[in-house]
Amino acid sequence: EIVLTQSPGTVSLSPGERATLSCRASQSVNNDYLAWYQQKPGQAPRVLIFGASSTATGIPDRFSGSGSGTDFTLTISRLEPEDFAVYYCQQYGSSPFTFGQGTKLEIK
Amino acid sequence: EVQLVESGGGLVQPGGSLRLSCAASGFTFSSYWMTWVRQAPGKGLEWVAHINQDGSERGYVDSVRGRCTISRDNAKNSLYLQMNSLRAEDTAVYYCARVWSAFDVWGQGTMVTVSS
Repeated sequence: EIVLTQSPGTVSLSPGERATLSCRASQSVNNDYLAWYQQKPGQAPRVLIFGASSTATGIPDRFSGSGSGTDFTLTISRLEPEDFAVYYCQQYGSSPFTFGQGTKLEIK
Repeated sequence: EVQLVESGGGLVQPGGSLRLSCAASGFTFSSYWMTWVRQAPGKGLEWVAHINQDGSERGYVDSVRGRCTISRDNAKNSLYLQMNSLRAEDTAVYYCARVWSAFDVWGQGTMVTVSS
């Protein structure tokens, strides 16, 4: 089983700032099948990035993903008020399709 | 509109059974892998099971293997999760999701509470 470790656990930033979230895998992710999801309270998750760096349909271009192998990053170039939420990475290259424990992005 | 709607959750006693359903609309259901993901109260996401287009390939997380069965009825555009021998640790919101570009469409979830 691939274990995904996200850092930091919580990050406090202000609107307009840049956010950089990290996801490290315990072994290489097959085909870089790494996704990022955003979840707000009381809502289902929403996919932002798939294949490590491809942006999902309808996602603003301030969201970008990078990385390969075992180290991946989600960057939000300029935070908007609606971006404050919990973010999860997930690998879907090999079963079980594990999630990271999440990073909470809160308003400073 | 592409949509997934879960149903079937509720309160069940430990050792009991429950069958969750997920109704799909707005896309060709039979063309996609489907999956269940759960989230315990205040916790993170956990993948539970997946199934391929014709039901010939299925996978489960270790914690539910042997107790849960994922299935689908393409004629009814529906996905199911039969859950048996339920435990307190199965308490969670259960989401169904479509598998394409990762898990690209999600339902709103159905709550399962296992308690006496």
